[in-house]
Amino acid sequence: AQSVTQLDSHVSVSEGTPVLLRCNYSSSYSPSLFWYVQHPNKGLQLLLKYTSAATLVKGINGFEAEFKKSETSFHLTKPSAHMSDAAEYFCVVSPHYGGSQGNLIFGKGTKLSVKP
Amino acid sequence: ETGVTQSPTHLIKTRGQQVTLRCSSQSGHNTVSWYQQALGQGPQFIFQYYREEENGRGNFPPRFSGLQFPNYSSELNVNALELDDSALYLCASSQPGQLKSSGANVLTFGAGSRLTVL
Repeated sequence: AQSVTQLDSHVSVSEGTPVLLRCNYSSSYSPSLFWYVQHPNKGLQLLLKYTSAATLVKGINGFEAEFKKSETSFHLTKPSAHMSDAAEYFCVVSPHYGGSQGNLIFGKGTKLSVKP
Repeated sequence: ETGVTQSPTHLIKTRGQQVTLRCSSQSGHNTVSWYQQALGQGPQFIFQYYREEENGRGNFPPRFSGLQFPNYSSELNVNALELDDSALYLCASSQPGQLKSSGANVLTFGAGSRLTVL
């Protein structure tokens, strides 16, 4: 079975400092992995996705994530936090390689707070 | 292009009642998925519709049902509401070609319908 574990439920950083949101995955085959962000009263927005191409994936708003198979990790990073980055972040794995595309498995989320 | 729109945005029901939530998919998307997000949790997959038929279901009882219409819009129906059904219900749409070998396609999510069951 596929699953994701987000290692921190809440991360707090100061504006301008780096962001690290940690995610480990479990999958019986090469997974598709995603990071989504959820701002209050807004839909989930895709930040980036990994689908077995380059292991370092660049996303929107300066975010990037590195797929490390040996560590089964897909951590999300950003060099410098902005106040607008404050939101809930979800690490997501797709359990169906080439199959049903709607069934995504979400982690429990990491709430990112950014202090001025 | 328009995104995914959901209605209503908020509603309150009492235990035992029935509810219908609606979703209009993004232009060009023919597949719709529904998710339940309980407070403080990640979204959980309910089911997916493709070509007006259910095409994948998560661990939800039969009182959760859905429809997809020829214009690809969709409804989620929940019968015999329980207190634990209180949650944010998210609809997501995606593009055709679900059996791609390159992995999952990207879902576009709506803002959700927040259901409170008293």
